[in-house]
Amino acid sequence: EPEVTQTPSHQVTQMGQEVILRCVPISNHLYFYWYRQILGQKVEFLVSFYNNEISEKSEIFDDQFSVERPDGSNFTLKIRSTKLEDSAMYFCASKERGLTGELFFGEGSRLTVL
Amino acid sequence: KQEVTQIPAALSVPEGENLVLNCSFTDSAIYNLQWFRQDPGKGLTSLLLIQSSQREQTSGRLNASLDKSSGRSTLYIAASQPGDSATYLCAVLPDSGGYNKLIFGAGTRLAVHP
Repeated sequence: EPEVTQTPSHQVTQMGQEVILRCVPISNHLYFYWYRQILGQKVEFLVSFYNNEISEKSEIFDDQFSVERPDGSNFTLKIRSTKLEDSAMYFCASKERGLTGELFFGEGSRLTVL
Repeated sequence: KQEVTQIPAALSVPEGENLVLNCSFTDSAIYNLQWFRQDPGKGLTSLLLIQSSQREQTSGRLNASLDKSSGRSTLYIAASQPGDSATYLCAVLPDSGGYNKLIFGAGTRLAVHP
C-alpha cells in the first residue's frame, strides 16, 4: 500500500542550528502538508502546499520556517534557526483531492532541540 | 473558532467489549471529519473519513457516525482486541477558509486488556 515516508525519524540539534525534514508523499497526491505535535499536546497544522506554492499557513509558521518541493517526489520543511520550543514530532501528510480527499500521514520526524 | 473535544480522555476495557468513543465540535460548518489511530511515538493512521453529506462510514469492526447539526461524531469499535490499544483522534475540516487545515481533538487513549 502506498505510504508517506519521512526522514530522519529522529534528529537532535543545538538551538540556533538549521534543520531540514524530508518527506516523500504518496506519488499521485497533489496536496501536501506539515503538521506538528508537541509532546502531550494536540496535533496542529503548520502549512499546506499545492501547485508549487503555499496555500495556507498557520500563525506558528513564521519566517523561520519554509517548505519546498525541489523535485517531483520530495517535500521538505526547513527550520532556519531552531528554538527550544520547536522540539516536537513533525508529520508530513498528503492527499489526492483537496476537499473530499482522505489525508494520509507519515510516521513523523521527532525533533529535539537542545 | 472551531474546537474539537474528545471524551473520554482515556478508557480501559476488557477484550471483547463493544465500545464508543465520542468527538464533539463547536462549529457545525465542516466539510468532513476523519478518525485516526496513533500508536505511541508513531504516525497517524487514517481509519475512516466521513463527508458532511454522509451519516456514517464502516470499515471492518469500526463504524463512525456523524451528526453535523449537533456537532457530534462517534467511533464504534466492535469486539475490541488488545491490538486496538492506541490513541484515537478525530479531526474536522472546517467549511471555511482555505479548506486545508484539519482541527484535531486531543484524543482518547484506549487500552484493551486480555
